[in-house]
Amino acid sequence: GAVVSQHPSRVICKSGTSVKIECRSLDFQATTMFWYRQFPKQSLMLMATSNEGSKATYEQGVEKDKFLINHASLTLSTLTVTSAHPEDSSFYICSAGEQGATYEQYFGPGTRLTVT
Amino acid sequence: RKEVEQDPGPFNVPEGATVAFNCTYSNSASQSFFWYRQDCRKEPKLLMSVYSSGNEDGRFTAQLNRASQYISLLIRDSKLSDSATYLCVVSYTGRRALTFGSGTRLQVQP
Repeated sequence: GAVVSQHPSRVICKSGTSVKIECRSLDFQATTMFWYRQFPKQSLMLMATSNEGSKATYEQGVEKDKFLINHASLTLSTLTVTSAHPEDSSFYICSAGEQGATYEQYFGPGTRLTVT
Repeated sequence: RKEVEQDPGPFNVPEGATVAFNCTYSNSASQSFFWYRQDCRKEPKLLMSVYSSGNEDGRFTAQLNRASQYISLLIRDSKLSDSATYLCVVSYTGRRALTFGSGTRLQVQP
């Protein structure tokens, strides 16, 4: 089956620093990738839809200047959390859909961010 | 009101029990329906899609009632390895992103 990787799997950073998370589709091309965030004991919430070669579409309430998304190729999307604060500590998960596929998505293993 | 609502549980059942989870969704434009399983601190994994006619995969049976905007998952002969959080997921017409319920936690006990 299709594989999506994320890097790093876990990161601890100090308040005010920026953190970049990578999401890669390893064996397929993904024109669209999605970034979700999950707080403890809550569900996954969509943050943004990342489109290859164009600007990301952000969900209401998600600051696009704080969560920078870049989707420069068909296999890589990055999420940069700028000026991180402790309230940004969360589990960030990306997913990718194959070109031409409708709703099936493949999830990365997630990145656990802790901001101290 | 949440777009996808689930009973959070936890459901504590003995091995071999049958357990049922329910889910309701509020947006009638919902087109595709899924059950995902999420283990602690891991990514969600697709368990099964849900079709109007109902579908079964081994010990798992999923049902969809579009009129009532209701989805169910039945697990028969529960195993210890079934312990996880079960997420009800929908997608809407023209929108590839998924909308997740908050999940129902299942703990199967020996």
